[in-house]
Amino acid sequence: QSALTQPASVSGSPGQSITISCTGTSSDVGGYNYVSWYQQHPGKAPKLMIYDVSKRPSGVSNRFSGSKSGNTASLTISGLQAEDEADYYCSSYTSSSTSFGGGTKLTVL
Amino acid sequence: QVQLVQSGAEVRKPGASVKVSCKASGYTFTSYFMHWVRQAPGQGLEWMGIINPSGGSTNYAQKFQGRVTMTRDTSTSTVYMELSSLRSEDTALYYCARDRILVVVAAPPYAMDVWGQGTTVTVSS
Repeated sequence: QSALTQPASVSGSPGQSITISCTGTSSDVGGYNYVSWYQQHPGKAPKLMIYDVSKRPSGVSNRFSGSKSGNTASLTISGLQAEDEADYYCSSYTSSSTSFGGGTKLTVL
Repeated sequence: QVQLVQSGAEVRKPGASVKVSCKASGYTFTSYFMHWVRQAPGQGLEWMGIINPSGGSTNYAQKFQGRVTMTRDTSTSTVYMELSSLRSEDTALYYCARDRILVVVAAPPYAMDVWGQGTTVTVSS
C-alpha cells in the first residue's frame, strides 16, 4: 500500500486536458511544498516532470503543470497528445524520506 | 552528458545478498545526493534510501532498515546498493537516481532528475 493515493487510471482525448490527483497527509503533501511528478513510458526509466509542486525542469513542455491544495497535489496535462500516454507517479518529501504514489495510467483515447 | 550506468542483471537464491553498482559521469559526483528506487514487476515505484556521495552519510526507508547498505567510491564515481536476506518479493528493477539539488543547498533532497537504466534482480530458488 502506497503512502500517497492516486487514481489507478485516467483517460482523455487528444487536445483535451486531464488532471491526476495525489492525496497524502499533513505529514507529507500537506506539510511541505516538496511534491514532484514523474512520467514513465513502458520499459523506460521515470522522467521528472514537476518538482516543488509546480516547477518544471528545463525541457519539459509547459502543457504540464502542478498545483497543491491542502493534502492533495495535482498534475494537469493540457492539449493531450498521444505521446503523453504513460504511467504517472507523484512523490513527496516526508521527514527525511520520500514517498511515492501508487501510479496512474493515462490513456489517450 | 550526465549519465548513470548501472551493473547488469543478477539472479540470487532466497537468503542471499546482491550488490548493484551505479557509475556516474558528466558531473561532479560528490555534489549531488543519490537515491535508490525499486519497481517490482507491474508495480509502482518504491523509495529505498539515499546516500550523500560527499561524506557517505545515508538514510534508509524504514522498510529496508537492517537489510540495505548504500556505499560510495569517490575514486570511481560509483555508488553501491547491497540488499541482504533476499526473498522472492525483492524481485524487481532497481534504479539509482540523482537528486536535482546540490548537497550544499539547505533544502531536502527528494526529486530525482537523472536516472540509471535499471538493474533487474531476480530472487528465485
